[in-house]
Amino acid sequence: EIVLTQSPGTLSLSPGERGTLSCRASEIVRSTYLAWYQQKPGQAPRLLIFGASSRATGIPDRFSGSGSGTDFTLTISRLEPEDFAVYYCQQYGTSLTFGGGTKVEIK
Amino acid sequence: QVQLQESGPGLVKPSQTLSLTCTVSGGSIRGGAYYWSWIRQYPGKGLEWIGNINYSGITHYNPSLKSRVTMLVDTSKNRFSLNLNSVTAADTAVYYCARVRATEVAFDYWGQGTLVTVSS
Repeated sequence: EIVLTQSPGTLSLSPGERGTLSCRASEIVRSTYLAWYQQKPGQAPRLLIFGASSRATGIPDRFSGSGSGTDFTLTISRLEPEDFAVYYCQQYGTSLTFGGGTKVEIK
Repeated sequence: QVQLQESGPGLVKPSQTLSLTCTVSGGSIRGGAYYWSWIRQYPGKGLEWIGNINYSGITHYNPSLKSRVTMLVDTSKNRFSLNLNSVTAADTAVYYCARVRATEVAFDYWGQGTLVTVSS
């Protein structure tokens, strides 16, 4: 099973700042099968990015995904108040796994 | 707009079977290049994929749960279901159903989730 390690565990930033979230895989992940989600308290996760870099429908362009192989990144160019949440990466290979999450909190 | 809604008991006794149904509206469960999935989230965050099923009933389960999981699809009622047997307290979680983009295997629509507690 591929293990996804997200860092940092918590990211403390101010609105307007840039956020960079990391997802590292224990084995190579095909970029097609790497996704990112946002989750707010009491809500289901929401798909942000699929195929490592494609934004899902309705997702603002301040969210971008990049990376390949074992290292992937979600970047939020300028944090809006509604972006403070927990973010998860997810991969599909022989099985499907999620990372442990990065909490983006207001500094 | 596709919507998914989980239903089923919120409390299950240890050793019994957890049974949930996901009803899909706003789109056909037969339509397009999609799978249908169950995911659970433990208290305190972690997400665990349980399995996928397509409209014809082909399944793919998480190897760690495979011996206890059965997923079925009912296209006439536009819904799919999850049975997880021999439950323990470790199966206590919020259970989500979701639609899966088959090409990228990403979950693009989710239900609101339902908390299932395993306790006597």
